[in-house]
Amino acid sequence: NAGVTQTPKFRVLKTGQSMTLLCAQDMNHEYMYWYRQDPGMGLRLIHYSVGEGTTAKGEVPDGYNVSRLKKQNFLLGLESAAPSQTSVYFCASRSGRVRAYNEQFFGPGTRLTVL
Amino acid sequence: DQQVKQNSPSLSVQEGRISILNCDYTNSMFDYFLWYKKYPAEGPTFLISISSIKDKNEDGRFTVFLNKSAKHLSLHIVPSQPGDSAVYFCAASGDSGTYKYIFGTGTRLKV
Repeated sequence: NAGVTQTPKFRVLKTGQSMTLLCAQDMNHEYMYWYRQDPGMGLRLIHYSVGEGTTAKGEVPDGYNVSRLKKQNFLLGLESAAPSQTSVYFCASRSGRVRAYNEQFFGPGTRLTVL
Repeated sequence: DQQVKQNSPSLSVQEGRISILNCDYTNSMFDYFLWYKKYPAEGPTFLISISSIKDKNEDGRFTVFLNKSAKHLSLHIVPSQPGDSAVYFCAASGDSGTYKYIFGTGTRLKV
């Protein structure tokens, strides 16, 4: 049981390049989330999904796209990377059962640098 | 507009003493609150939670207090241990359809 895994762990991009971050969970969770963490800003929600085939915008969605074709995977895409997207990206998942005692489980993060 | 605020970026406490981390929120619709702990180069891990129908929840050395009228919650760690040194985030949720959380900016605790 690996929990939530993220690929890659590190990546350096040049401005304008594209890439996809992969998040996978093996807990059969319905809900999945993408966050970015920046110094002094805490964790900010980029996009989220409440089930396979569904996605929705979070607090800071501009410049990102997502897809949830399979329940266990949630992909975050950057079509044209900008230096402002330099950040640490975290994926999280959560069970769809009753809200009590159901926290979000986080992956280890992807550190992305855009030059 | 920061709906969840952690006004102390850092806190230093001696081993064995109490650590008190504070969190304020502005949205009265929040009804579920969590604390997460984060070590460097790792993802946040869940620590403790509290529902708005309670004012206190304990789990071992960790206790969370909720003051709804003041829109304030605090995390108490007693006794503090060196392994508690980490960044602590509080998070709040009021959306039972999506379970989205709003996170604070974090407090770095050094024991």
